[in-house]
Amino acid sequence: EDKVVQSPLSLVVHEGDTVTLNCSYEVTNFRSLLWYKQEKKAPTFLFMLTSSGIEKKSGRLSSILDKKELFSILNITATQTGDSAVYLCAVGAGGTSYGKLTFGQGTILTVHP
Amino acid sequence: GAGVSQSPSNKVTEKGKDVELRCDPISGHTALYWYRQSLGQGLEFLIYFQGNSAPDKSGLPSDRFSAERTGGSVSTLTIQRTQQEDSAVYLCASSLPTSGGAGAKNIQYFGAGTRLSVL
Repeated sequence: EDKVVQSPLSLVVHEGDTVTLNCSYEVTNFRSLLWYKQEKKAPTFLFMLTSSGIEKKSGRLSSILDKKELFSILNITATQTGDSAVYLCAVGAGGTSYGKLTFGQGTILTVHP
Repeated sequence: GAGVSQSPSNKVTEKGKDVELRCDPISGHTALYWYRQSLGQGLEFLIYFQGNSAPDKSGLPSDRFSAERTGGSVSTLTIQRTQQEDSAVYLCASSLPTSGGAGAKNIQYFGAGTRLSVL
């Protein structure tokens, strides 16, 4: 059974801090790893990673994938209160799991002013 | 539409009643997915439609759950004889076609969900 585990489950920081969120996975026939940000409602897409060692960046957010060690990290630098959200990691696979995503339980990030 | 649209946004029902949840995907997205998110949990896959292919129903938790997708666009998730453990947020997502070698590298775009409360 495919499995995705995120850590920490929750994190409280102050504005300006840098945070690192972790995602490890056990998936047969791995294809892609995705990060989403979920505020009150719809998860919004952040990154898709398919190749090891290639960093994806968007402003203060960046992410990288290690397919040998089966994990990914999401970094947020100079955090702001607007970064407060649940961050979800998901893995897409092939074979019988083709199409669907397997999600981790999420990391709740709270950024205080 | 501009994004994935779900209705209703909230639904309160009594145990034993049937409910229908609706999802209108992004125009041009042939793949459609339903997930369930219980309080404090990640998203749990329920069912996946791709074009005219038979849906992947492997995530449906019981035979009380069913889904249809008419005309390759709008989808309805039906829960019959609702139970209290069905209370959750039901999220719908859509993506570009997932056929072909790169198909699993799809980006799924989510709607805001329907919060179902079974009393």
